[in-house]
Amino acid sequence: NAGVTQTPKFRVLKTGQSMTLLCAQDMNHEYMYWYRQDPGMGLRLIHYSVGEGTTAKGEVPDGYNVSRLKKQNFLLGLESAAPSQTSVYFCASSYSPTGISYGYTFGSGTRLTVV
Amino acid sequence: GENVEQHPSTLSVQEGDSAVIKCTYSDSASNYFPWYKQELGKRPQLIIDIRSNVGEKKDQRIAVTLNKTAKHFSLHITETQPEDSAVYFCAASIWGNGGSNYKLTFGKGTLLTVNP
Repeated sequence: NAGVTQTPKFRVLKTGQSMTLLCAQDMNHEYMYWYRQDPGMGLRLIHYSVGEGTTAKGEVPDGYNVSRLKKQNFLLGLESAAPSQTSVYFCASSYSPTGISYGYTFGSGTRLTVV
Repeated sequence: GENVEQHPSTLSVQEGDSAVIKCTYSDSASNYFPWYKQELGKRPQLIIDIRSNVGEKKDQRIAVTLNKTAKHFSLHITETQPEDSAVYFCAASIWGNGGSNYKLTFGKGTLLTVNP
């Protein structure tokens, strides 16, 4: 049972390049999320999904796209990276219909630098 | 949408002292309030949570209190130890059969430093 796995852990991009961050969970969770963490800003929600095939915008969605084709995977895409997207990105999942906890399980994070 | 304010942003205590972190929320419908601890370079991890049907919950040296009327909740850490040094985040959400917003809104975090 690995929990929530994020790949890659580190990445450096040039401005204008694209990339996809992968989040995978093996807990049969219904909900999945992408947050970014910046100094002094806490955790801000980018996009989230409440089930396979669904996505919704969070607080800071501009410049990002997401897809959830399979229940266990949630992909975050940057189509044209900008220096303002330099951040640490955390994926999280929550809520199993058979469980009682609504708390998040976080992945280990992806440190992205855009130069 | 929900807005969560967290204070203080930094807190320094001596080992053995108590630490208190406070959060306020704006949406009176919020009913689930977790706290996360994030050590340097690590992922946030859930340390305790409380639902709106109780006013206090304890787990060893940590406790959380909730005042629904005032819309604020607090984390209390007693007998602090150097390993308690971390960033702590509060969060709020709406969960349950009466409706759900499916997501947590986080405070900006409190950097707790416990000095030996």
